[in-house]
Amino acid sequence: DVKVTQSSRYLVKRTGEKVFLECVQDMDHENMFWYRQDPGLGLRLIYFSYDVKMKEKGDIPEGYSVSREKKERFSLILESASTNQTSMYLCASTPGTNDRVWGNTIYFGEGSWLTVV
Amino acid sequence: AQSVTQLGSHVSVSEGALVLLRCNYSSSVPPYLFWYVQYPNQGLQLLLKYTTGATLVKGINGFEAEFKKSETSFHLTKPSAHMSDAAEYFCAVTEGGGATNKLIFGTGTLLAVQP
Repeated sequence: DVKVTQSSRYLVKRTGEKVFLECVQDMDHENMFWYRQDPGLGLRLIYFSYDVKMKEKGDIPEGYSVSREKKERFSLILESASTNQTSMYLCASTPGTNDRVWGNTIYFGEGSWLTVV
Repeated sequence: AQSVTQLGSHVSVSEGALVLLRCNYSSSVPPYLFWYVQYPNQGLQLLLKYTTGATLVKGINGFEAEFKKSETSFHLTKPSAHMSDAAEYFCAVTEGGGATNKLIFGTGTLLAVQP
């Protein structure tokens, strides 16, 4: 079975803390993504990666960074957490080369609920 | 830039009734189109997708959607709702016809199924 695993389902962090959200996929997928999901706003893309050590900004990268040192792992980093980063974070992955990413199914993890107090 | 509109943030139907969830996109370039379902406290699961070919697409759990280029729509339907269909549904499109980095999501429609 295809598996995208987000290691932390529920986190509570204090304002100003550095937060790491980890995502691992076991499907040898080239492409990995971080979204945040907020009521009434749908899913918004934060960052994505097409390859190891490669990253590109999505629509809302401010306040976030990412790391992809190994193909199977894509980490989202909140350098200094703020209350407006309280949200559900979804990791996703999909196989395929750059020009035909979306012909393939995208697989999502179960989400990480982050509360910043 | 591409955008996706889902009409109705909340839809309520009776068990056994027709389900119709609406999705319209903005681009003149035919995109790839997707419907995802999210059950409570879970990630998103692909229901169906349209890339090329037949415009009526059948997905899992009895859902189907029809790509209508003239109406820039990709509405999701199911003939008879089950209680287990209660979930949030997201329409998504690619920006630029598939050869792109981005998947653009609608704001979601929460489907309630009444007994």
